[in-house]
Amino acid sequence: GNSVTQMEGPVTLSEEAFLTINCTYTATGYPSLFWYVQYPGEGLQLLLKATKADDKGSNKGFEATYRKETTSFHLEKGSVQVSDSAVYFCALSDRGGSEKLVFGKGTKLTVNP
Amino acid sequence: DTAVSQTPKYLVTQMGNDKSIKCEQNLGHDTMYWYKQDSKKFLKIMFSYNNKELIINETVPNRFSPKSPDKAHLNLHINSLELGDSAVYFCASSPGLNKNIQYFGAGTRLSVL
Repeated sequence: GNSVTQMEGPVTLSEEAFLTINCTYTATGYPSLFWYVQYPGEGLQLLLKATKADDKGSNKGFEATYRKETTSFHLEKGSVQVSDSAVYFCALSDRGGSEKLVFGKGTKLTVNP
Repeated sequence: DTAVSQTPKYLVTQMGNDKSIKCEQNLGHDTMYWYKQDSKKFLKIMFSYNNKELIINETVPNRFSPKSPDKAHLNLHINSLELGDSAVYFCASSPGLNKNIQYFGAGTRLSVL
């Protein structure tokens, strides 16, 4: 079945540091890929997405590129801020019309001033 | 205006009780979901409804019964609560099948004592 593997957290960085959170997936066919973010005490929000190979999703300084050859969708940001502290979830949805999102286990990011 | 709203935000109850969590979306979406997030932040889909029709049922115990009176509401009723049911439950919605951006509520933290 489809699955998503994310790097284990927690990740602690200083403000303005470079961020990478690794995500790889296993899927049949050509899934859409997503990063969702969960700020403390809130629900998940879509951060960015990519629907086909070599697509780059970007939002709020975050980027991720859909790499079919390595089945990866790593999240990057060049300079993190304290307000980026949250849990980040990589997810995929298949294209079978079931609308099922499969999530990774989440990576908690803490950014210190 | 909250797009996806869940009530209550917190629910503390004794083992063996029956409880309900309500979810409403004002986005005009056709598809709604329930997810369970465990203590390790792992998020897994439980149910999905499209236009009041059950689409996904992920081998959830029969004690969990979703009810969709109309496409703007998807409530979750849980019978005979167990300790292992303690988790955060998230409702989500999306415009429809094959429209795979999902919008999440803020979550309901259920604690079973």
